[in-house]
Amino acid sequence: DAGVIQSPRHEVTEMGQEVTLRCKPISGHNSLFWYRQTMMRGLELLIYFNNNVPIDDSGMPEDRFSAKMPNASFSTLKIQPSEPRDSAVYFCASSWSSGGEETQYFGPGTRLLVL
Amino acid sequence: EDQVTQSPEALRLQEGESSSLNCSYTVSGLRGLFWYRQDPGKGPEFLFTLYSAGEEKEKERLKATLTKKESFLHITAPKPEDSATYLCAVQAALTLIQGAQKLVFGQGTRLTINP
Repeated sequence: DAGVIQSPRHEVTEMGQEVTLRCKPISGHNSLFWYRQTMMRGLELLIYFNNNVPIDDSGMPEDRFSAKMPNASFSTLKIQPSEPRDSAVYFCASSWSSGGEETQYFGPGTRLLVL
Repeated sequence: EDQVTQSPEALRLQEGESSSLNCSYTVSGLRGLFWYRQDPGKGPEFLFTLYSAGEEKEKERLKATLTKKESFLHITAPKPEDSATYLCAVQAALTLIQGAQKLVFGQGTRLTINP
């Protein structure tokens, strides 16, 4: 079982550049979540999808952030333009949502540094 | 608004010294309470889900318990490899909108076990 796969694992970019983070959920899972983790704010949910449809994007900080899920096995989180305050670890998680137990399994994260 | 508070923020123990971590929560109808372990540089790793007051679950040296207002993670005779940040999260009951339900995380307790 490959688990949730994220790429890149580390990203260093300059302010104003576009950043794209990628996620492949666990095969068979129908829900996908994007989180951001910082020392100050902890783990925050940005957006989540169910059956490839965005359900709740209220955690997306501003219009510079966008997320897509074109199919069940791939999602992207894009920041354009990036700012230093976007520096954080971004996690993707997936789950099987059926109305019963809905355990989320996390990927290894992408550590983003915006200079 | 759903809220999770974990205490203490950090805990340092000697190997073999048992203790408990606390997770207090307020949620509009609890669907599940989750415990995760996070090692430095890695994503959260699922430990337990608790669904109703009085429920208990165990895994090796860890035991999680749940009341109507809080959950405890008891660590018995810990070893250095139990050192990690332990995260608690709540999942609210289903709303009218079907789909995956989001988790609200606490800030975590950073546990260090000295040999």
